[in-house]
Amino acid sequence: GDSVTQMEGPVTLSEEAFLTINCTYTATGYPSLFWYVQYPGEGLQLLLKATKADDKGSNKGFEATYRKETTSFHLEKGSVQVSDSAVYFCALLPSNDYKLSFGAGTTVTVRA
Amino acid sequence: GAVVSQHPSWVICKSGTSVKIECRSLDFQATTMFWYRQFPKQSLMLMATSNEGSKATYEQGVEKDKFLINHASLTLSTLTVTSAHPEDSSFYICSATSQGDQPQHFGDGTRLSIL
Repeated sequence: GDSVTQMEGPVTLSEEAFLTINCTYTATGYPSLFWYVQYPGEGLQLLLKATKADDKGSNKGFEATYRKETTSFHLEKGSVQVSDSAVYFCALLPSNDYKLSFGAGTTVTVRA
Repeated sequence: GAVVSQHPSWVICKSGTSVKIECRSLDFQATTMFWYRQFPKQSLMLMATSNEGSKATYEQGVEKDKFLINHASLTLSTLTVTSAHPEDSSFYICSATSQGDQPQHFGDGTRLSIL
């Protein structure tokens, strides 16, 4: 079945460092791809999404590009802040289903 | 827009009691709601999908008699953990969509602790 493999954490960075979280997927057809963020003790918030190949999702300085040739949707941010400390989930929505498949999540801690 | 409210945010109760968790879509009609369970430092596990006015569809391995789901209106779904035991302690999160549109909008979760 369709699935998502996400870079394992935890990831610890200093403020203003560059962040990359790798995400690759396995799917038939043309899935939609998402990044969600979960702050401590809270639910999930949609960070960005892309619905077709070569689409770039962006929000709050984060970006991810839907790469069909490498089946990837890596999350990047050029200069992280302490407030970016959270758990990040890559997710996939199959083209023929309504259920999201989540990656394992990557815990990111940004130190001042 | 697209706000999902989940209540309560935290509940502690004795073993053997039943606990009801509410999930409300505040500014849209949620034709489909999802219930997830999340263990510490793990990803979300889909428990069941509910469509308004029909029975919930449970994922394999989820006891439907243990986790009762009701989706009686377009803005409210409830999850009742019946005769809860310590192993049911977890973080439960709901999400909602309108007519299958994505993304799903998530509630803030309910932390359930069974003593």
